[in-house]
Amino acid sequence: EAGVVQSPRYKIIEKKQPVAFWCNPISGHNTLYWYRQNLGQGPELLIRYENEEAVDDSQLPKDRFSAERLKGVDSTLKIQPAELGDSAVYLCASSFDRGRRAREQFFGPGTRLTVL
Amino acid sequence: DAKTTQPPSMDCAEGRAANLPCNHSTISGNEYVYWYRQIHSQGPQYIIHGLKNNETNEMASLIITEDRKSSTLILPHATLRDTAVYYCIVRVGGSEKLVFGKGTKLTVNP
Repeated sequence: EAGVVQSPRYKIIEKKQPVAFWCNPISGHNTLYWYRQNLGQGPELLIRYENEEAVDDSQLPKDRFSAERLKGVDSTLKIQPAELGDSAVYLCASSFDRGRRAREQFFGPGTRLTVL
Repeated sequence: DAKTTQPPSMDCAEGRAANLPCNHSTISGNEYVYWYRQIHSQGPQYIIHGLKNNETNEMASLIITEDRKSSTLILPHATLRDTAVYYCIVRVGGSEKLVFGKGTKLTVNP
């Protein structure tokens, strides 16, 4: 079974440039998450989708970050414009959640973003 | 979500058991204890979770104290490939939110 796929794996951009990350979750998983992980820290949730609906985006900096999950499958996270402090690893995860029992999340390898 | 406390780093000899502690003294009755690990340059990987009974799977065992204020993740025969950061997380049942701390960096030495 294929895992969570993310691309690109690495991205280097100049500050003020836009950047986008793509995620394809495990087939059949209805919940998709985007996390940001700064160096030496644990991942922090940015946004969570249930199917195509963003149900928790409280930690997403909405002035420059946007995300979409059209058709409830793959998802794109965008930053425009990027700032130096956005350098981090951006992780995508998915899970199959039925009813009130949340199941384990499966993570992709992440995209390492460097903003110069 | 309740917070957890873990030692920042631990070492273990290859082939020996690795016992990783976690304190979660403010855990609520409906919160589960989850363990994930993150190998260098990879995303976190689910290991095991439990509510109040001890749990075992092919990867590890989870021992939760009777008062549920602490737990221990046991890797029975650590290998070099178990070198990773291990995260202990408490999570409300039915909640999708995982709140990661800094975890414990486990180094397995040959």
